[in-house]
Amino acid sequence: AQKVTQAQTEISVVEKEDVTLDCVYETRDTTYYLFWYKQPPSGELVFLIRRNSFDEQNEISGRYSWNFQKSTSSFNFTITASQVVDSAVYFCALSEANFGNEKLTFGTGTRLTIIP
Amino acid sequence: DVKVTQSSRYLVKRTGEKVFLECVQDMDHENMFWYRQDPGLGLRLIYFSYDVKMKEKGDIPEGYSVSREKKERFSLILESASTNQTSMYLCASSLGVSLEAFFGQGTRLTVV
Repeated sequence: AQKVTQAQTEISVVEKEDVTLDCVYETRDTTYYLFWYKQPPSGELVFLIRRNSFDEQNEISGRYSWNFQKSTSSFNFTITASQVVDSAVYFCALSEANFGNEKLTFGTGTRLTIIP
Repeated sequence: DVKVTQSSRYLVKRTGEKVFLECVQDMDHENMFWYRQDPGLGLRLIYFSYDVKMKEKGDIPEGYSVSREKKERFSLILESASTNQTSMYLCASSLGVSLEAFFGQGTRLTVV
């Protein structure tokens, strides 16, 4: 069964500090997809990134970067020079590429608070 | 702009009532999902559907059923609402497992 663990329930950092959100996953499949979503105070989840299991290259998008390591089953998310607008709940998610079992499993989320 | 629309933002229902939560997407997506979100528990999958009239149980299907008669619409049904079903309900759709899901704004259901 697929599972996503986000051990950090809440994190608070001062603005401009860097912060890393951890995500560890479990799956029996060799083909799978990992995602990060942001849920701002307004409530609607916003897609941030997708990564497939065959692509272990790290990705950077502005102040955001993602570190995918299959050896440790982790897909961590780093925000550099954090800003108050980054305050949100962040979810990591996993889907397996099995026809008929195309469910998307989420972790419990990490609430990030950026202190001005 | 892509859209997943949930019929209500807030609902208050009485214990024992039959409750319908409606979700419509305009992106011609095959996959649709219903989640509930509770503090400390994240998003838990109730049911999902990968095609019209197809449905699969998620992790917490007890007390719920779903209906997907048309591709764009996925309904969540609480046959007899109970207070422990008070929660935020989120609908989502995606074109496939490898692609991102789009979420509705959520329905906050309170059962009294």
